[in-house]
Amino acid sequence: QQQVKQSPQSLIVQKGGISIINCAYENTAFDYFPWYQQFPGKGPALLIAIRPDVSEKKEGRFTISFNKSAKQFSLHIMDSQPGDSATYFCAASIRSGAGSYQLTFGKGTKLSVIP
Amino acid sequence: NAGVMQNPRHLVRRRGQEARLRCSPMKGHSHVYWYRQLPEEGLKFMVYLQKENIIDESGMPKERFSAEFPKEGPSILRIQQVVRGDSAAYFCASSPPRGFLPDTQYFGPGTRLTVL
Repeated sequence: QQQVKQSPQSLIVQKGGISIINCAYENTAFDYFPWYQQFPGKGPALLIAIRPDVSEKKEGRFTISFNKSAKQFSLHIMDSQPGDSATYFCAASIRSGAGSYQLTFGKGTKLSVIP
Repeated sequence: NAGVMQNPRHLVRRRGQEARLRCSPMKGHSHVYWYRQLPEEGLKFMVYLQKENIIDESGMPKERFSAEFPKEGPSILRIQQVVRGDSAAYFCASSPPRGFLPDTQYFGPGTRLTVL
């Protein structure tokens, strides 16, 4: 199974709060898990990524938590700001037999941070 | 350091026409991926190319779609005889050479194709 399931579909958070987005996967061979941020009319921008040999990675206000046994990973945005309002995509990849590292994406979470 | 470039940013075609989308990878990158994004959906992998080689086209529709990445010039995604269902945003991503985090992909701004 190559699916990555993402929730919630949309999220409203007050300024200063914590935004949490969750993803679950089936294929235990996935070995790279990035998060992308996309603003309307723009391309996805790589935000942060993790590999399954660590359980947490933090970069500024953004943290990925990874639970290998549960096959789940999540993005936490601390001190959420209106400028964080965007659509967030989780993804996963594995090197295919053909040699590509194609990404399998979740369907996205539209985050709105209100003042 | 210029990022991934795509053009045109917006493309309008009538049913039956051809669409050509171009992608120039980041400097120093020699691998290109193409993805398609339908409204309110995540991105779906289409094809992976290196210079002069198609490595993985498992996500490409069997008909009307083709891709190339010539020795000189940008990668091109070509859609022949477009239909309304081809309307989507098409994104190109590039990744570093093998040995330098090859699974890290950087996306361009996309081409939004509208088929009338």
